[in-house]
Amino acid sequence: GENVEQHPSTLSVQEGDSAVIKCTYSDSASNYFPWYKQELGKRPQLIIDIRSNVGEKKDQRIAVTLNKTAKHFSLHITETQPEDSAVYFCAASITGSARQLTFGSGTQLTVLP
Amino acid sequence: NAGVTQTPKFQVLKTGQSMTLQCAQDMNHNSMYWYRQDPGMGLRLIYYSASEGTTDKGEVPNGYNVSRLNKREFSLRLESAAPSQTSVYFCASSQSRGQGKTEAFFGQGTRLTVV
Repeated sequence: GENVEQHPSTLSVQEGDSAVIKCTYSDSASNYFPWYKQELGKRPQLIIDIRSNVGEKKDQRIAVTLNKTAKHFSLHITETQPEDSAVYFCAASITGSARQLTFGSGTQLTVLP
Repeated sequence: NAGVTQTPKFQVLKTGQSMTLQCAQDMNHNSMYWYRQDPGMGLRLIYYSASEGTTDKGEVPNGYNVSRLNKREFSLRLESAAPSQTSVYFCASSQSRGQGKTEAFFGQGTRLTVV
């Protein structure tokens, strides 16, 4: 089955700096890669996603990039703010599979004021 | 529109006790899931259900059973709780939303402690 590895497990950045979280996946059939954000004590929520026919996607201060050949994808957050502090999970999915989403182990991002 | 609702929010069990975590979704989703979340381990799939009447094991099914009662409800049962089952449990549902995309909607979580 699919295996998703996520790095780093913890990341601290100064407010205003950029943050990058990286994931690799094992199953070349995976073609959908969402990112979830979980604020302290809350449920995970989808923040951005990318399909394998797209190399990059941006939404305001966040962007995702995908390298299908290398089987890795990354989340980029620019101009970080304290409210970006959370745990971020990457995931991979084979579209149409009942199992659908395999999650990475999560990255605790802390934005220091 | 409540989304995914799971109960209880907190629970303390003694080793060997049993309990059922309840989950219901009102989004008419076919697929439902139970995950556990442990520090440094991320979200690990316990069981999932692709549709009403079907269930299948995920990554960490041992010690758990599930029931997909109908399209809305998917319960998780611990028959004989063990301290290793201390965790935060999330129920989720998902639906493919076209263009090859799938979004999972999570419940608010159940913090379970087994002593």
